[in-house]
Amino acid sequence: AQSVTQLGSHVSVSEGALVLLRCNYSSSVPPYLFWYVQYPNQGLQLLLKYTSAATLVKGINGFEAEFKKSETSFHLTKPSAHMSDAAEYFCAVSGGGNTGNQFYFGTGTSLTVIP
Amino acid sequence: NAGVTQTPKFRVLKTGQSMTLLCAQDMNHEYMYWYRQDPGMGLRLIHYSVGEGTTAKGEVPDGYNVSRLKKQNFLLGLESAAPSQTSVYFCASTRSMGNYGYTFGSGTRLTVV
Repeated sequence: AQSVTQLGSHVSVSEGALVLLRCNYSSSVPPYLFWYVQYPNQGLQLLLKYTSAATLVKGINGFEAEFKKSETSFHLTKPSAHMSDAAEYFCAVSGGGNTGNQFYFGTGTSLTVIP
Repeated sequence: NAGVTQTPKFRVLKTGQSMTLLCAQDMNHEYMYWYRQDPGMGLRLIHYSVGEGTTAKGEVPDGYNVSRLKKQNFLLGLESAAPSQTSVYFCASTRSMGNYGYTFGSGTRLTVV
């Protein structure tokens, strides 16, 4: 069964610093991988997704993620943090056809941006 | 705006009461899902549906029932609410199999006292 692990439930960075949120996946087949962002009291919004077309995926709000098969990782990065980036971030993997395409979510990483 | 609409947004129930959460999408999506979100546990799948008239159990289905009588609607029912069902519930939908992401509703915050 697919699963994702997000290392670090809380990450704090200074405004303007690099953001790195870690995600490792477990999948027996090439996966569909996603990053979602959740702002307080809101639903989840899609940041970016890996579709095998390119290992470096660019998303919204300046975020990008790199798929590394050898490390089974899909870490999320942003070169320069902005105060508006403070939110909860979830990595997810698609389960595929046998599971009704259900997503398996990590436990989330709460990002704090320090002025 | 097109999307996923959840009603109600907030609800307080007494233990043993029942209620139904409604999810409606206007994107003609085939697949719909109900997740619950609890602190430190991420999102866990309760039930899902791959088409009108079909439903299936997810990871945490006990205490919940669902129905998908119309393609655009997916209902989540609690027959006899328990404090352990205090959570934030999210509905999501997607077009079909593949790399389409989910579209999420804004959530229902349920408290069972």
